[in-house]
Amino acid sequence: SQQGEEDPQALSIQEGENATMNCSYKTSINNLQWYRQNSGRGLVHLILIRSNEREKHSGRLRVTLDTSKKSSSLLITASRAADTASYFCATDKENTDKLIFGTGTRLQVFP
Amino acid sequence: DTGVSQNPRHKITKRGQNVTFRCDPISEHNRLYWYRQTLGQGPEFLTYFQNEAQLEKSRLLSDRFSAERPKGSFSTLEIQRTEQGDSAMYLCASSLGPNGYTFGSGTRLTVV
Repeated sequence: SQQGEEDPQALSIQEGENATMNCSYKTSINNLQWYRQNSGRGLVHLILIRSNEREKHSGRLRVTLDTSKKSSSLLITASRAADTASYFCATDKENTDKLIFGTGTRLQVFP
Repeated sequence: DTGVSQNPRHKITKRGQNVTFRCDPISEHNRLYWYRQTLGQGPEFLTYFQNEAQLEKSRLLSDRFSAERPKGSFSTLEIQRTEQGDSAMYLCASSLGPNGYTFGSGTRLTVV
């Protein structure tokens, strides 16, 4: 079963614009992670935010976490055509080591 | 290559045949995970090893599925008597402790 759900399911933007994706989850977590997947390939880890953190930055990525609302957002600034991919959030429930992935947001960035 | 390696990349098999996939994790990673992903969906957890011990199995892992990690290094995932519903991408990932996973490129299984 999926722990999280991403919103929107699909997003199309022009190069240079910002892209925001949201993730909601159901249970208490230790951390939340975002992954990127190019078509037909494996997933690439982007960023991890711990349950006691509220915001984290990595290059053009900004992640926020609101544990009271059980939600997270991923912001990609100044998007590029190469950012075209599917983006997944993943959470580990407390007392387990496995990650549960959401349904993903398919991002298309037009040049 | 120091990443996670999966073989084969693609497998086409007839319904009813057995298939086996292999995953070679990053050498110092003690945790190894198998996931299954169908088109348009996120990866679904199948099973997880810490060293050679299989610590958790999903309900998705029916009796036809078996996974091993005999020496705590590489792992195999076998599917017996394949069915068309088994067609999916099978992803392996490894990690050192409860941190970000490193995924392999996956094995795409097509059951005809």
